[in-house]
Amino acid sequence: KAGVTQTPRYLIKTRGQQVTLSCSPISGHRSVSWYQQTPGQGLQFLFEYFSETQRNKGNFPGRFSGRQFSNSRSEMNVSTLELGDSALYLCASSLKDTQYFGPGTRLTVL
Amino acid sequence: GENVEQHPSTLSVQEGDSAVIKCTYSDSASNYFPWYKQELGKRPQLIIDIRSNVGEKKDQRIAVTLNKTAKHFSLHITETQPEDSAVYFCAAITMNTGFQKLVFGTGTRLLVSP
Repeated sequence: KAGVTQTPRYLIKTRGQQVTLSCSPISGHRSVSWYQQTPGQGLQFLFEYFSETQRNKGNFPGRFSGRQFSNSRSEMNVSTLELGDSALYLCASSLKDTQYFGPGTRLTVL
Repeated sequence: GENVEQHPSTLSVQEGDSAVIKCTYSDSASNYFPWYKQELGKRPQLIIDIRSNVGEKKDQRIAVTLNKTAKHFSLHITETQPEDSAVYFCAAITMNTGFQKLVFGTGTRLLVSP
C-alpha cells in the first residue's frame, strides 16, 4: 500500500496570509491526525478527524482549522499567518491505534 | 490531560554500547505506547510499540518495557550502530473514550559514534 502523502512539501508565505495543507491517508485508514513540529515545542497535536468529523482538538488558536472529506483525505488551514507558525506540519493516518506519518509540509512564514 | 516526560534529551554512546531512553506518563488510562525514530529531514517512523497488557516486547536489537504501576516505559537499544543515530520520541495514547490523541515526549537525540 502507498504510504501517507502530504502536499505541498514546502511552502513560503508572508505574515497575514492563509495556507491550506493536504494529507492523503493510507488506503482504508479513516482516522487522520495533524501535528505541528517545531524545534522548541516538539510534536504537538492539532486535531484528529474520523469519518469527516473532528473528534479531538489540541490547544491551538481558532486560526488553525481542518476538515476531512468522504474519501478520508484531510486538509488543514491556517489563517492570518504569524511568524511563529513556521514549522513542519505532519499528518498521520491510522486504522486502529498505530499512527503512520506522512513526510510533512514545511511551512516558512516571512 | 496526558503528559509525557522523556529523558535524557541527548544521549551519546559508542558503537556497540547499549542505549536506554526513559519516559513517564501521567494518565493511568493510557494503554498504548509507541516509539518513533526520526532521522534528520524525514518523517517519524514507528519502530516498536507496546500495549498496557504486556510488560515487555522485543524486536531484534530493540526492546521496550512498561511498568504500569510506576507509569513509565523505556526503550532499550543493544549493540548500537551509527545508523541508529536519530531523534527518538516516545508517546502515549488514550483510547478509552473512543478517540485518539497521541501525546509525545520531547525527544531524545541519540548519537552513536563509530
